[in-house]
Amino acid sequence: NAGVTQTPKFRILKIGQSMTLQCTQDMNHNYMYWYRQDPGMGLKLIYYSVGAGITDKGEVPNGYNVSRSTTEDFPLRLELAAPSQTSVYFCASSYRTGADSPLHFGNGTRLTVT
Amino acid sequence: AQTVTQSQPEMSVQEAETVTLSCTYDTSESNYYLFWYKQPPSRQMILVIRQEAYKQQNATENRFSVNFQKAAKSFSLKISDSQLGDTAMYFCAFMKPRGSQGNLIFGKGTKLSVKP
Repeated sequence: NAGVTQTPKFRILKIGQSMTLQCTQDMNHNYMYWYRQDPGMGLKLIYYSVGAGITDKGEVPNGYNVSRSTTEDFPLRLELAAPSQTSVYFCASSYRTGADSPLHFGNGTRLTVT
Repeated sequence: AQTVTQSQPEMSVQEAETVTLSCTYDTSESNYYLFWYKQPPSRQMILVIRQEAYKQQNATENRFSVNFQKAAKSFSLKISDSQLGDTAMYFCAFMKPRGSQGNLIFGKGTKLSVKP
């Protein structure tokens, strides 16, 4: 199994540009998440989804949008990139919530906005 | 609001020795989950160990064990027989029980270096 796959691995954007970070999982997990990790910090939740067609905001959703049209895919959209969005972005999935269903993380996308 | 504090930004240990990483948290919840994640230079987040707050027995996974002190809200990670491959960032994380939609609250991490 590939697990959670994120593309691209690296990206440089100019201020005001837009892009979509792709995330796909092949484990048939219902729950999917987007986190960002700023330098020297832990991860913070941007958006999450509990199933196809259902998404909700996390701790830091401003400047981002998500969609969940299928169980497998959970793309993250940046509409007007700002330097404050320079970060490493992680997608994760889980079968359900709780300690008996831990999160599986992708390898992350390093985004730089200049 | 829940917070997670890791007071040691960096630590180092000699290969084969034992090291303990500290984590404290603040919550008014009585039931919750705690985790330690490892992030090697490859950047991938890897689950090391997990603890459910209602279980008094400390979790162990091979060379990794925790000291869970619920009253003190402390959740330290002990790594025995440290190996070079243990070099990584270690994050302590808190999760409310089912219904919290998997929102993990992370600490800022501790950078562990294992020296030969």
